[in-house]
Amino acid sequence: SQQGEEDPQALSIQEGENATMNCSYKTSINNLQWYRQNSGRGLVHLILIRSNEREKHSGRLRVTLDTSKKSSSLLITASRAADTASYFCATGNFGNEKLTFGTGTRLTIIP
Amino acid sequence: KAGVTQTPRYLIKTRGQQVTLSCSPISGHRSVSWYQQTPGQGLQFLFEYFSETQRNKGNFPGRFSGRQFSNSRSEMNVSTLELGDSALYLCASSLGRDFQADTQYFGPGTRLTVL
Repeated sequence: SQQGEEDPQALSIQEGENATMNCSYKTSINNLQWYRQNSGRGLVHLILIRSNEREKHSGRLRVTLDTSKKSSSLLITASRAADTASYFCATGNFGNEKLTFGTGTRLTIIP
Repeated sequence: KAGVTQTPRYLIKTRGQQVTLSCSPISGHRSVSWYQQTPGQGLQFLFEYFSETQRNKGNFPGRFSGRQFSNSRSEMNVSTLELGDSALYLCASSLGRDFQADTQYFGPGTRLTVL
C-alpha cells in the first residue's frame, strides 16, 4: 500500500532554478523521509524530519512538514543537472511497515 | 565503509521457478529491509530482519520469504514465480536502533524478470 502521493508527478526546470515537490500522506506518522533515485537504481537518503519538527535544512535542501495538513514539501535550491532523478517521500508510521513510500516525482534539470 | 551490496544484479527466470536474492549490509548494521519496486505499485515493503529475526512484514503472499544470518547478511526467496513478480528488489540496511527513524542505506537492487 502507498501512503504518500507526490505532486507533481513530473517536473522540468532550468538549471539554477529552484525545484519544489510536495508529498501528502494519509495516516499519522512519526517521521517523514525524502529519498532520491537515479534511473531505476538504489535509493539515496536525503533528509529525515520527525513529526515534532516543522522545518529542516541540509545543504541545498529544505524540507517542511505540516502534520495538520498531512503534507510535506522538499525544496531544492539552485538546481544542478546532477539533481535529475526521481524523488520519493517515505513515512514511518505506527503500523507494521518499515517505511511507506509515495509515488515519486520525476525531476528533470535542463542544462 | 563499503555500501550495501546485492547479488545478482540481474536475473531472468521463468514462471513457476524459484529465486534467491542476496543482500550484504553495511558493516555494523543489524537491520535489513527488503522492498519491491514496480512501475504499477511503486515501492512496497516486503519484510525487515533484525538480529536474525523477522521484525516486520508487509502485505505479500507467503511465496515471499527471507532470512538473516548471524553476520547480518540477508536472503530473500520467491517461490513459484509469477509474471507479476518482475520487479526491482531493493535491500536496505540500517543500524536498527530506532524501528522506523533509522536512516536506511539502499543497495543498487536486483532486477528480476519473469518470463
